[in-house]
Amino acid sequence: KQEVTQIPAALSVPEGENLVLNCSFTDSAIYNLQWFRQDPGKGLTSLLLIQSSQREQTSGRLNASLDKSSGRSTLYIAASQPGDSATYLCAVDAGNQFYFGTGTSLTVIP
Amino acid sequence: SAVISQKPSRDICQRGTSLTIQCQVDSQVTMMFWYRQQPGQSLTLIATANQGSEATYESGFVIDKFPISRPNLTFSTLTVSNMSPEDSSIYLCSVGTGSYGYTFGSGTRLTVV
Repeated sequence: KQEVTQIPAALSVPEGENLVLNCSFTDSAIYNLQWFRQDPGKGLTSLLLIQSSQREQTSGRLNASLDKSSGRSTLYIAASQPGDSATYLCAVDAGNQFYFGTGTSLTVIP
Repeated sequence: SAVISQKPSRDICQRGTSLTIQCQVDSQVTMMFWYRQQPGQSLTLIATANQGSEATYESGFVIDKFPISRPNLTFSTLTVSNMSPEDSSIYLCSVGTGSYGYTFGSGTRLTVV
């Protein structure tokens, strides 16, 4: 069974710092990996989708990488802002099911 | 990608009652997914809803507790029945959008008192 783990569970950084969130998964047989943002009590907003054949995707200050063979993905956030404070979830599409990570709670301090 | 309208956004309900959550998609989709997110936890899939057939439930979830309707390709409802405080969670619907991945509704924050 696929297991998805995110490290760290919580992260607090001063505004302006660059940061990296980590996601690991146990089974490399995936179709794609998706990063989401979740604000407290709200639904999920898709940030980036990386297909299994891709190595990375970029959107604005966000860059996500995928190393399928090692079962790892990272989400890089450049020049963090207080508005980036949220929980970030990664999820892998294994075809038959979508598996979510445990999330990283990010706080960006002004 | 698809846009999902989910409602209600939140509700406070008495134990023993039921709540129906609705999701409307702006395009036709084959499968819709319902998730639960308990406080401090990640998302857990409740069931997959296909139009014209009964929903497929994951282990630990049963139809009597979480009946699902899927009357057409753009709409689905999830009912949380005979609620208890343990049902207090965020409930989300989701659809797969092919190359755009998965899109989620805005969530329903349920508190059972």
